[in-house]
Amino acid sequence: NAGVTQTPKFQVLKTGQSMTLQCAQDMNHEYMSWYRQDPGMGLRLIHYSVGAGITDQGEVPNGYNVSRSTTEDFPLRLLSAAPSQTSVYFCASSFRGGGTGELFFGEGSRLTVL
Amino acid sequence: GQQVMQIPQYQHVQEGEDFTTYCNSSTTLSNIQWYKQRPGGHPVFLIQLVKSGEVKKQKRLTFQFGEAKKNSSLHITATQTTDVGTYFCAGLWGGGADGLTFGKGTHLIIQP
Repeated sequence: NAGVTQTPKFQVLKTGQSMTLQCAQDMNHEYMSWYRQDPGMGLRLIHYSVGAGITDQGEVPNGYNVSRSTTEDFPLRLLSAAPSQTSVYFCASSFRGGGTGELFFGEGSRLTVL
Repeated sequence: GQQVMQIPQYQHVQEGEDFTTYCNSSTTLSNIQWYKQRPGGHPVFLIQLVKSGEVKKQKRLTFQFGEAKKNSSLHITATQTTDVGTYFCAGLWGGGADGLTFGKGTHLIIQP
């Protein structure tokens, strides 16, 4: 099993560009989520999904879009990148939703917006 | 929104010394989880605490959940260089379908 796979690992964007961070898991987890990690801020929840076709906002959703068309995939879209979105992004999945089960994290995607 | 306050932000210890990090919530938690993140790595699950007053041990690591389920601690006995990293607590409140709220983490720096 690969676990949680994120691509790309590194990306540099210009302000105003759009892009999609990909996340896939092969553990048949219903719950998937996106976090961003900034120095001194810990991990902040952007969006999450409790199953295919269901998504909801976390703590910091503005500027991001998600969809969940399959159990395996949960892409994160940046609609118009801003320097404030420079961060490390982690995708995580769990067998049980909402913090009642262990979160499995991907290796992260480091995004720089110029 | 709900927050978990984690202290200290940084902790320098000599190898072999003990280390403790604390998490506090102003309201009762449903459960709390602990994660470790090595430098340049991703968070890795350590443990989940659910019951009031619960104590769990993993080799040199001891995890506690307070009686009121508002605070938790992670204690490492006789630190080793492999313990270097950032330790995060993550809390869940009752009915929290939203997911875990992470503390800001404690960076453990070990001097050999």
